[in-house]
Amino acid sequence: NAGVMQNPRHLVRRRGQEARLRCSPMKGHSHVYWYRQLPEEGLKFMVYLQKENIIDESGMPKERFSAEFPKEGPSILRIQQVVRGDSAAYFCASSPKAGLSGNTIYFGEGSWLTVV
Amino acid sequence: AQSVAQPEDQVNVAEGNPLTVKCTYSVSGNPYLFWYVQYPNRGLQFLLKYITGDNLVKGSYGFEAEFNKSQTSFHLKKPSALVSDSALYFCALLNSGYSTLTFGKGTMLLVSP
Repeated sequence: NAGVMQNPRHLVRRRGQEARLRCSPMKGHSHVYWYRQLPEEGLKFMVYLQKENIIDESGMPKERFSAEFPKEGPSILRIQQVVRGDSAAYFCASSPKAGLSGNTIYFGEGSWLTVV
Repeated sequence: AQSVAQPEDQVNVAEGNPLTVKCTYSVSGNPYLFWYVQYPNRGLQFLLKYITGDNLVKGSYGFEAEFNKSQTSFHLKKPSALVSDSALYFCALLNSGYSTLTFGKGTMLLVSP
């Protein structure tokens, strides 16, 4: 199965710790997206990356959150000094290209972060 | 700004009956619309999309969706519901940059035996 791979699936952190969420896109996909699903809410876009570039981070909180997609290895979503309000499901998605033609965005299984 | 609305938090239907999950959208240009399904504690699975062409789009697991430009709607349908269809369904709109999605809040579909 060459789907979008996320790990860890579940992560528990104490307030003030750091959380790192990893995402490997589908084979052949060079565009990665992170979305957050808060309880009782839909998915909200956070950030869109290509290899070594952040294309759109308009949905990222201004503080404590960062994302990268290095030349080698998975994309990382990093949350520093976590607070209880960061508890959510974080979904990574990937697509083969930007643009409309034939573009479908595929999602991973998600990483559930719980801050205690 | 574009938006997606799913007016029903929950839809209940008996197995074997037809189902409809509603979605309306607002966008200044052409709409590019998607439906995804999410099972408990799982990721989103792509069901179908409308880019252009026929207003009736067929997708996975027997689902289809009807695009209606005049009503700005993209309702998800299935002729005969299964208990296994019970899940959370999201309608989404591709943004003007053609890369990111704006999601509705989701509709929980419950199919009773």
